[in-house]
Amino acid sequence: QKEVEQNSGPLSVPEGAIASLNCTYSDRGSQSFFWYRQYSGKSPELIMFIYSNGDKEDGRFTAQLNKASQYVSLLIRDSQPSDSATYLCAPNRDDKIIFGKGTRLHILP
Amino acid sequence: DTGVSQDPRHKITKRGQNVTFRCDPISEHNRLYWYRQTLGQGPEFLTYFQNEAQLEKSRLLSDRFSAERPKGSFSTLEIQRTEQGDSAMYLCASSPDRGEKLFFGSGTQLSVL
Repeated sequence: QKEVEQNSGPLSVPEGAIASLNCTYSDRGSQSFFWYRQYSGKSPELIMFIYSNGDKEDGRFTAQLNKASQYVSLLIRDSQPSDSATYLCAPNRDDKIIFGKGTRLHILP
Repeated sequence: DTGVSQDPRHKITKRGQNVTFRCDPISEHNRLYWYRQTLGQGPEFLTYFQNEAQLEKSRLLSDRFSAERPKGSFSTLEIQRTEQGDSAMYLCASSPDRGEKLFFGSGTQLSVL
């Protein structure tokens, strides 16, 4: 089993709709979870992090965590063309941050 | 705060040669990480430092790879006897402390011919 699993996509979402990105992880000792966005040819940049079970909202972004199910997700509301990128899920255990393969998101104008 | 700086941006080398990359983290960031990324994949963890101490090195990493952070400031990553499979983007990231978010540099693109 891979440490971090994400659907590689591409996930195509109409502009203005909600994009839902999912991630499962295998290490139950993971303490915090990061979502990074990576544009083509650029380095990853942090958009959200979550430590506790439940939801965390920041602007158009909501991160959801369920440690019992080892599942974390990212919702993007009112999707914009500028949201088209690869989204990387990154669990953190003892400061070793492991990245998933990423989900390519394409927002359709 | 000038961000994380990596040098060089691009490196082309012949198989069998040694290469060295440099990373200058954001000043006062204690943690420094090295990752490798190939097309269509997420960043693959290589190693990380707390100040000058190397805390962990990936078990998947060949002995041809070595990293240092001699004074707890900049870091170098050396690859000896390069192979074509080493061709990738090498990313450096730093963070202020444990559990904090990573700030990435622009990366060094390595091409082994």
